[in-house]
Amino acid sequence: AQKITQTQPGMFVQEKEAVTLDCTYDTSDPSYGLFWYKQPSSGEMIFLIYQGSYDQQNATEGRYSLNFQKARKSANLVISASQLGDSAMYFCAMREGTSGSRLTFGEGTQLTVNP
Amino acid sequence: DAGITQSPRYKITETGRQVTLMCHQTWSHSYMFWYRQDLGHGLRLIYYSAAADITDKGEVPDGYVVSRSKTENFPLTLESATRSQTSVYFCASSEADRVKNIQYFGAGTRLSVL
Repeated sequence: AQKITQTQPGMFVQEKEAVTLDCTYDTSDPSYGLFWYKQPSSGEMIFLIYQGSYDQQNATEGRYSLNFQKARKSANLVISASQLGDSAMYFCAMREGTSGSRLTFGEGTQLTVNP
Repeated sequence: DAGITQSPRYKITETGRQVTLMCHQTWSHSYMFWYRQDLGHGLRLIYYSAAADITDKGEVPDGYVVSRSKTENFPLTLESATRSQTSVYFCASSEADRVKNIQYFGAGTRLSVL
């Protein structure tokens, strides 16, 4: 079974609007972490935001926020006020447990921001 | 602040040849990782290392060898390259942090095996 599922291969959004990128995960470990990375066309992987399984509040980092619904096992990324520079591939990833740092990645969502 | 650097950025080789991809980090992070990225598969873990002289297999280790004699370096060797190893390879590192373990990535190496 897929541990990380990103069901949207591609998304389009108008500049200045908000967009939600979906991510669902599967784990039986009570301790885990969820990450979002951005990969622009230049290819590098850029860390955006982190949510721990025991965190009481949804994570926020500037225009990025994570809509964490533990019971539904979803960790959707919300980008507010989209900018042209947000056009990129976005990956959701999960770390299970507290030992080690192994990440399992989803297949990604290609976001295009239209002017 | 150099961070994490990979070399070469691009490599073309032939089937059967040995090729080594280099990864160097300046943060003294304990953990280092090698991933490959192929269309439709996201990133898949090849090998990782928790510290110098400690390495372990990831999801797709076959055909690869790693070593970590120094904390800052984590080279990945393809012993006898095959066409199926054509991919983009990413190296990453993270601190030994029991809470977040955020991984920071190098710029990647695009490898073509002809």
